[in-house]
Amino acid sequence: DAKTTQPPSMDCAEGRAANLPCNHSTISGNEYVYWYRQIHSQGPQYIIHGLKNNETNEMASLIITEDRKSSTLILPHATLRDTAVYYCIVRGPNDYKLSFGAGTTVTVRA
Amino acid sequence: DSGVTQTPKHLITATGQRVTLRCSPRSGDLSVYWYQQSLDQGLQFLIQYYNGEERAKGNILERFSAQQFPDLHSELNLSSLELGDSALYFCASSVAPVQDVNTGELFFGEGSRLTVL
Repeated sequence: DAKTTQPPSMDCAEGRAANLPCNHSTISGNEYVYWYRQIHSQGPQYIIHGLKNNETNEMASLIITEDRKSSTLILPHATLRDTAVYYCIVRGPNDYKLSFGAGTTVTVRA
Repeated sequence: DSGVTQTPKHLITATGQRVTLRCSPRSGDLSVYWYQQSLDQGLQFLIQYYNGEERAKGNILERFSAQQFPDLHSELNLSSLELGDSALYFCASSVAPVQDVNTGELFFGEGSRLTVL
């Protein structure tokens, strides 16, 4: 019952920006978009989240389209340590859990 | 370091046995979540507790049970183990019963890797 669609994999060159797309065409008005990542069987790590506006923190930027049906996570300067599975998750205020889909396997190459 | 502690890190046991996985949440966090990650299933939500009470249940088998104690640590009990129960089991914690909408963050531990032979 995943509410998001992500490409299964993508490659990125070290030092370049990585742009990770996510489609969430059925998102409701009160649902947030969250991004987590999981580095090789470690526990998932929170990256960023947003509702309508674009968001930026020390790890990444989140760009949400005006119709909110898709978003892009931007890693501005990818490093080899950013190689991970990235999960885009839609969650509403009454959702008690995060529902993880298959995510995007991002490989950063030197 | 997320502040969530899980023990043991690795566990090898035989089919039919019973094991207990332990989770200590971050200091001050009242909610504990359990997830299972196997190779073919991805991250599956099992169950959530808030301040000692069960709040949400996911795809948790009847052979599995959990509880959260007054000191807020949680245990996941897995019994009558089968080969298919081999997986990484993650615990996560957060402050609120629902994720704090201001931070949206669950803090995950490093997991307990269970191997059933």
